Amino acid sequence: DTEVTQTPKHLVMGMTNKKSLKCEQHMGHRAMYWYKQKAKKPPELMFVYSYEKLSINESVPSRFSPECPNSSLLNLHLHALQPEDSALYLCASSLNSGTGEKLFFGSGTQLSVL
Amino acid sequence: AQKITQTQPGMFVQEKEAVTLDCTYDTSDPSYGLFWYKQPSSGEMIFLIYQGSYDQQNATEGRYSLNFQKARKSANLVISASQLGDSAMYFCAMRSPVDTGNQFYFGTGTSLTVIP
Repeated sequence: DTEVTQTPKHLVMGMTNKKSLKCEQHMGHRAMYWYKQKAKKPPELMFVYSYEKLSINESVPSRFSPECPNSSLLNLHLHALQPEDSALYLCASSLNSGTGEKLFFGSGTQLSVL
Repeated sequence: AQKITQTQPGMFVQEKEAVTLDCTYDTSDPSYGLFWYKQPSSGEMIFLIYQGSYDQQNATEGRYSLNFQKARKSANLVISASQLGDSAMYFCAMRSPVDTGNQFYFGTGTSLTVIP
């Protein structure tokens, strides 16, 4: 199994809603990532979990709250988002955080905030 | 300074021809990794090829090869025998211990269109 599975694929939410994005991998990877990507731009790193501990938070607003319940699962909890948060949210994993380790990406959640 | 530079916002190539996508990078780390990803309109980021800084040979993966010129700090992607399915965004990325904290740093991307 060499997949990273993200759900849902599409999400529309209002600014007062609370929703969660989910990500799962069964490759035994110990590093998991959340990226945000605007159209025609490169992915921007949001959070990194290494061995289930948050190791990097790229100054992301608190309305985004990550959670890593176990080594296979990564969630991103969303609350009180703004329209400018509309983007493609990509989850990724890698075996570890080594220099030569490639990222395996999920297919993303296309988020629209109304 | 930009860590990864892709100077070609858009490229066109005739089907069955070869195309080179440019990527230059900037790091003072002796050990680093260079990666290319393809992103079709569906959104998924697909890994194509990897080159380590100490690798003596240029990396190849099927129709993809990486023209690695270490002294010039360039890692160009060569796609041979282009197919219509190669139309996508292509991102060059680097991972280095100090300059990027071993996190991926992506270039701005090149949009490739394959013409029938």
